[in-house]
Amino acid sequence: DVKVTQSSRYLVKRTGEKVFLECVQDMDHENMFWYRQDPGLGLRLIYFSYDVKMKEKGDIPEGYSVSREKKERFSLILESASTNQTSMYLCASSLAGGDGNEQFFGPGTRLTVL
Amino acid sequence: AQKITQTQPGMFVQEKEAVTLDCTYDTSDPSYGLFWYKQPSSGEMIFLIYQGSYDQQNATEGRYSLNFQKARKSANLVISASQLGDSAMYFCAIGRIQGAQKLVFGQGTRLTINP
Repeated sequence: DVKVTQSSRYLVKRTGEKVFLECVQDMDHENMFWYRQDPGLGLRLIYFSYDVKMKEKGDIPEGYSVSREKKERFSLILESASTNQTSMYLCASSLAGGDGNEQFFGPGTRLTVL
Repeated sequence: AQKITQTQPGMFVQEKEAVTLDCTYDTSDPSYGLFWYKQPSSGEMIFLIYQGSYDQQNATEGRYSLNFQKARKSANLVISASQLGDSAMYFCAIGRIQGAQKLVFGQGTRLTINP
């Protein structure tokens, strides 16, 4: 069965802390994505990666960085967490090439920054 | 740039009725794909249906169909014979067919099915 897992369902951090959100997929997908979801705004793309060590900025990359050292793992890093980064974070993966390749999502991490 | 607009923040429907969730899009890409996802209260995103811009026929998947009107730039989701389990947030998304295939999502519509 297709699976995307995220390291935590809930996370509480303090302002200024460095935060790591981990995502692992077992489908050998080339593409991986990080979104944040906020009420009334839908999902917004933070960063994505189409290959190991490759990354591209999405629509809201400020305050975030990513790492993809292995094909199955895509990490989102908040260098210095701020209260406005309190949100639901969703990881997704998809096959490359062709069309209609749906993205498969993880269960999400609800991050609260105090 | 691509954009999705979902103008219905919330909808309330009686069980067994058909539901249409609106989605309009804007894109300058000649080829693109439209996706619908469901997000129940548990939080997981569930893929429902896909339509490519070049597809002549509207996509269908079980009780879900996509009413694609290219000239009007709309891609409405139709759910036939609604069930209580259809209560959820629904998101429309657009993506390029080529390249990294990243998606742009709409704001979502919260659908509530009443018994």
